[in-house]
Amino acid sequence: RKEVEQDPGPFNVPEGATVAFNCTYSNSASQSFFWYRQDCRKEPKLLMSVYSSGNEDGRFTAQLNRASQYISLLIRDSKLSDSATYLCVVNRISGTYKYIFGTGTRLKVLA
Amino acid sequence: NAGVTQTPKFQVLKTGQSMTLQCAQDMNHNSMYWYRQDPGMGLRLIYYSASEGTTDKGEVPNGYNVSRLNKREFSLRLESAAPSQTSVYFCASSITGSADEAFFGQGTRLTVV
Repeated sequence: RKEVEQDPGPFNVPEGATVAFNCTYSNSASQSFFWYRQDCRKEPKLLMSVYSSGNEDGRFTAQLNRASQYISLLIRDSKLSDSATYLCVVNRISGTYKYIFGTGTRLKVLA
Repeated sequence: NAGVTQTPKFQVLKTGQSMTLQCAQDMNHNSMYWYRQDPGMGLRLIYYSASEGTTDKGEVPNGYNVSRLNKREFSLRLESAAPSQTSVYFCASSITGSADEAFFGQGTRLTVV
């Protein structure tokens, strides 16, 4: 079983839709949590960090449930430009800090 | 603002050849990482360096060596390339590796024939 698991998708949604991605992690020692975005054939880039209290950045809302070891990302009012792969990332200390990536969820927003 | 710079961007090797992937960051970050990305597998950590002078194995270190040359540079060496090492390689860096954002280079697309 992978340490960070995501539904690979693809999620095909119409413009303006709300879409939610889920991620589970298995190591309770995980300390920091992130969502990264990766466009086709490009490097991953930070979308947002995820905090225990939940956080919002414009149309994007991230939630963390430490008890269930579950992270979510909600995108409201989807735009064509949101089409990308969304990577769930956890950071844990095991001697030193390491970023562990999920395999990613592909999103395609359709006109 | 260069950020994380990787060279080369593309490379084709024959089985058994060696090569070094170069990575440099200009953000004064302490921690640096090498990942490989394969379809359906996500990014997997090959090696990392928490600080200058230290390196540690990640999830998939076999067939690779690394050198943290100084605070800025972290290179990845393939001593005897194999077709299984065909992949996209990403270098990343972060301030300390805890709650900090990791910044990635543009990647190296390596094909081993």
